[in-house]
Amino acid sequence: NAGVTQTPKFRVLKTGQSMTLLCAQDMNHEYMYWYRQDPGMGLRLIHYSVGEGTTAKGEVPDGYNVSRLKKQNFLLGLESAAPSQTSVYFCASRNPGLQNTGELFFGEGSRLTVL
Amino acid sequence: LAKTTQPISMDSYEGQEVNITCSHNNIATNDYITWYQQFPSQGPRFIIQGYKTKVTNEVASLFIPADRKSSTLSLPRVSLSDTAVYYCLVGDPNNAGNMLTFGGGTRLMVKP
Repeated sequence: NAGVTQTPKFRVLKTGQSMTLLCAQDMNHEYMYWYRQDPGMGLRLIHYSVGEGTTAKGEVPDGYNVSRLKKQNFLLGLESAAPSQTSVYFCASRNPGLQNTGELFFGEGSRLTVL
Repeated sequence: LAKTTQPISMDSYEGQEVNITCSHNNIATNDYITWYQQFPSQGPRFIIQGYKTKVTNEVASLFIPADRKSSTLSLPRVSLSDTAVYYCLVGDPNNAGNMLTFGGGTRLMVKP
C-alpha cells in the first residue's frame, strides 16, 4: 500500500518553462489537495478537488492549474514557471469524515526550483 | 482571515510534558480540531483529532474546553525525536467544500 505518491521528487526549471506534478493515491480517497511550503513557513493551499472531474481554488491559486481526470490522480501544472514558485509542493488526500476520521494523508513532497 | 493561532516556537527538555495551545475563536459547530506533526523534508502526519472534551491516543492527548475556542495538544514525556513543527487545523470533515488551510504551526525544540 503506497499511500500518496508524488512525482517527480525534485525538479529544476528555468523561468518560463512549464511542468506538471503528478499525485497518485491508492486509498480510493474522494478529496485531494495541493499545498506549497516555502522555507520556514506553513503550508498554503493551492487547489483542491472534492471528486473526480472537480477542482476548486485554494488560498494561492494564481500561476497554477489542476486537473482530476481520474479519481486516484491529481495533477498540478505550472504553465510559465516563475522564481516565486520555488517551493516544496505537497499533495494530500482524504475521505469525508467517518466518526472521527477526515485525516489528511500526505505525500513526501516535490522540491521545485525555478531559476 | 486565519482560522487558528498558535505560538511560533516552544522549547522543552527530554522527559518533560509539553502543552501547545491553539486558538480558534471562529470555530463552527461542525468543525473538528486536528493536529499534525511535520519533520523536516517530510509531509505532515496526523497526530490526533477531537470535537470536545478530551481525546487520548498512544502518542498524545487533546484537551478542548466547553466553548471550543481553543484546544491544547499535550505530549507526555517528550524525547529528542519529538522535535518538529506542530499544526492545528479546524474544519468539518464532512464538508465537501472544506478547504483545510494550515496556519503557521508551532516549532517545538526538545533539548537533551
